[in-house]
Amino acid sequence: DIQMTQSPSSLSASVGDRVTITCRASQSIRNHLNWYQQRPGKAPTLLIHDASSLQDGVPSRFSGSGSGTDFTLSIGNLQLVDFATYYCQQSSSAPMYTFGQGTKLEIK
Amino acid sequence: EVQLLESGGDLVQPGGSLRLSCAASGFTFSDFAMYWVRQAPGKGLEWVSAISRSGDSTYYADSLKGRFTISRDNSKNTVYLQINNLRTDDTAVYYCTKAGESYELIRAFVDWGQGTLVTVSS
Repeated sequence: DIQMTQSPSSLSASVGDRVTITCRASQSIRNHLNWYQQRPGKAPTLLIHDASSLQDGVPSRFSGSGSGTDFTLSIGNLQLVDFATYYCQQSSSAPMYTFGQGTKLEIK
Repeated sequence: EVQLLESGGDLVQPGGSLRLSCAASGFTFSDFAMYWVRQAPGKGLEWVSAISRSGDSTYYADSLKGRFTISRDNSKNTVYLQINNLRTDDTAVYYCTKAGESYELIRAFVDWGQGTLVTVSS
């Protein structure tokens, strides 16, 4: 199975900051990497697919990059609504699309 | 509008069984593989199981094989997850999810249900 490792596990930032979350796969997954946002008590929502493609309706302050085994999610000009937990997910090993352990973004 | 509505979550004693259901609407159900993802309290997302469009192929997380059975009824637009010999560490919200309808979203979970809570405790 492909293992996904996110870092950091938690992150404190202020409104207006730029933050970066990293995700590493245990083997090459090409660009088959998704990012999700989850707010407390809610189901996850898709932010980015195929490592860098923004899902419809997602603000342009979100961006993704990477290929192979190393990926990043960046959020610029943080807004209050962005404080949530973020998960990466590999979509290379169909249909067993495993998740990273999550990164909780908190207000400083 | 795509809707996925899970049900069947409950408080169950260890060793018990439960069948979760996910009723789908707003899309051609038989055109999509379906998935279950779970989240233990305060923990991350865990991919649980998948079933092909016809139901002929099923997949499970290695740690869950043997106790979990996924199935679907395309005439009822419903996917099921049977969980046997429940353990306390099965306590979680169980989400039903599906990929997107366009080619570029075929590998991403675009649509999610609201989840159903399974609590395993004596």
